[in-house]
Amino acid sequence: QSALTQPASVSGSPGQSITISCTGTSSDVGGYNYVSWYQQHPGKAPKLMIYNVYDRPSGVSYRFSGSKSGNTASLTISGLQAEDEADYYCSSYTSTSTYVFGTGTKVTVL
Amino acid sequence: EVQLVESGGGLVQPGGSLTLSCAASGLALSTYWVHWVRQVPGKGLVWVSRINPESTTTTYADSVRGRFTISRDNAKNTLYLQLNSLRAEDTAVYYCVKDHTGYHDYWGQGTLVTVSS
Repeated sequence: QSALTQPASVSGSPGQSITISCTGTSSDVGGYNYVSWYQQHPGKAPKLMIYNVYDRPSGVSYRFSGSKSGNTASLTISGLQAEDEADYYCSSYTSTSTYVFGTGTKVTVL
Repeated sequence: EVQLVESGGGLVQPGGSLTLSCAASGLALSTYWVHWVRQVPGKGLVWVSRINPESTTTTYADSVRGRFTISRDNAKNTLYLQLNSLRAEDTAVYYCVKDHTGYHDYWGQGTLVTVSS
């Protein structure tokens, strides 16, 4: 199972909006609404930010939103803040009853 | 508060074996699918394996199938991962992760496995 494709890095200034893409296939991202997004700060465990493509867990800022079109899912962070600087990973359930993560995106707040 | 605490990591020689444990508190792990996810330091997350609540269904990534075995003891609220025939490329932090129907909502802090001679 190949990793989902994410841009290696995305940057933005405070207050701006950025979008991270996550491209898979019809056997994973395109075939299921089990797409989730995780934030990971250095030395910390990943934290769930978005699940089932669009849904946000309680306690996660409304500035984080998810979407999907075909085989590509996206995470948008609006009103970028310094604390948003971290690595972000997408994940999807697959047709072989396994899971696959994205390659990861480093978000830098300029 | 839900907590997942991994243990059992360490330094092991190539070809060796290790058993990782994950003790849960604050929830009854017995009603959930549970996963192992690993991460080479400085690299991305990689899904490794999962097990259903009754231990009747297990799934593995191609890279570990036949070498790793996932299991659980619901009475002890604990998840395990037996790692055999270890290779240098298995060096990683191993995370215990709780499933919630298609996503991973609780993660442990991870335990580091280093495979080196």
